[in-house]
Amino acid sequence: EDQVTQSPEALRLQEGESSSLNCSYTVSGLRGLFWYRQDPGKGPEFLFTLYSAGEEKEKERLKATLTKKESFLHITAPKPEDSATYLCAVQGSTLGRLYFGRGTQLTVWP
Amino acid sequence: DTGVSQDPRHKITKRGQNVTFRCDPISEHNRLYWYRQTLGQGPEFLTYFQNEAQLEKSRLLSDRFSAERPKGSFSTLEIQRTEQGDSAMYLCASSLYGGRGHGNSPLHFGNGTRLTVT
Repeated sequence: EDQVTQSPEALRLQEGESSSLNCSYTVSGLRGLFWYRQDPGKGPEFLFTLYSAGEEKEKERLKATLTKKESFLHITAPKPEDSATYLCAVQGSTLGRLYFGRGTQLTVWP
Repeated sequence: DTGVSQDPRHKITKRGQNVTFRCDPISEHNRLYWYRQTLGQGPEFLTYFQNEAQLEKSRLLSDRFSAERPKGSFSTLEIQRTEQGDSAMYLCASSLYGGRGHGNSPLHFGNGTRLTVT
C-alpha cells in the first residue's frame, strides 16, 4: 500500500537557522509528489509538485528536492511567518487519490 | 479564481443527528475530493468524483457516509447517525484532470468544515 512518512514530527528553529524536512514514500508508479503548507484552522495550501528523481523547485525561502525514495523541503533563513505544518503527499499510477503524511509542525521563533 | 468554498465552517451536532456539508469547487475543475483530518494527522482520503461520477471510495468510509455531485459542480457530504468519532475537519479539494496524457493538476483545498459531535 502507498505510504508517506514525514520527519521530524515537530521542529523548532530560531529565525535565520536553516534546516530540512524529510518525506519518505513508497508508491506504485509515482506520478507526483506534493508539498503543502497548512496554517491552524485552514486547509492545506499548495506549494510544489515534483514529478521525477532529481527534480528541484524553489519558492522564496523554500526549496523542494526529490529522489527515488524521499523528498526534502529545505528552508533557508526562515522567518516567524514560515511557522506552519508542512504536509507531503504522493499520487500513484492511478492518478486518483493523494496519500498524505502526518506533517511536520514547524515553529520559527524570533 | 474564487477558490474552493465550503459551508458551513463549523458545525456542532448531537450524537445520532444527521449532518450535511457543501463544497463548491473551482469552476473549471472537473475533479472533486473529500478528505477528513483529525488533530495531529494528515488529511485522510474519503472519496472523489470526476464530473458527476464517484470514482473511488475509501474502505474506511462507512455506510453512514454518502457523497453526491449531482451535476458535476458542487458536492455534498452527508453523515447519518453521527458518532463522537466523526468529530474532525472535513476538507474538500478540487483539481483539473486532463486525461492520461496530461495528468492531474495539484489539488486545491478549501478551509474545511469543522464538525464537533457532542
